[in-house]
Amino acid sequence: SQQGEEDPQALSIQEGENATMNCSYKTSINNLQWYRQNSGRGLVHLILIRSNEREKHSGRLRVTLDTSKKSSSLLITASRAADTASYFCATVRTDKLIFGTGTRLQVFP
Amino acid sequence: KAGVTQTPRYLIKTRGQQVTLSCSPISGHRSVSWYQQTPGQGLQFLFEYFSETQRNKGNFPGRFSGRQFSNSRSEMNVSTLELGDSALYLCASIRDSTTDTQYFGPGTRLTVL
Repeated sequence: SQQGEEDPQALSIQEGENATMNCSYKTSINNLQWYRQNSGRGLVHLILIRSNEREKHSGRLRVTLDTSKKSSSLLITASRAADTASYFCATVRTDKLIFGTGTRLQVFP
Repeated sequence: KAGVTQTPRYLIKTRGQQVTLSCSPISGHRSVSWYQQTPGQGLQFLFEYFSETQRNKGNFPGRFSGRQFSNSRSEMNVSTLELGDSALYLCASIRDSTTDTQYFGPGTRLTVL
């Protein structure tokens, strides 16, 4: 079963535009993590935000967390073709890291 | 620091056969988790090993098993392969706790014919 649901399922934008992905989850969390996966390859950890944090930045990435709404968003600013990938949120439930369904981002040059 | 390695990268087997996949975590990390990724079911947790002990298990049949060695390297085994076992199998290296950042290997692509 999936803990998180990402929205939208797919997103297509032009280089230079911003991309926003949303994640909703079901139970209380210690932290929420975002991962990126290039086609058919391993996942790369992007950012971890703790439950007592509301916003976190890493380079062109900005993550927000709203524990009252059980939701998080990932913003990629000034996107590049190399950002084309699937993005997953993940949370721990019953000591297991559970991934959401993912957002497939396509950035056109 | 060397990353997570998985071998083999690609594997083709036939139904009924058995397969063993290997994962070497980052040096100093004591925990390894395994995941199965398919287009239909997404990323699903298989099991986690910590200091040679299975710490957690997902909802998979007993045909899926694993172990961890004293050097933290881990193997997973799937017996009596079924067509539906075709998937990308990913392992993740974790320093200690499941809530820590997980560092993934490139995966093993298993095709069952």
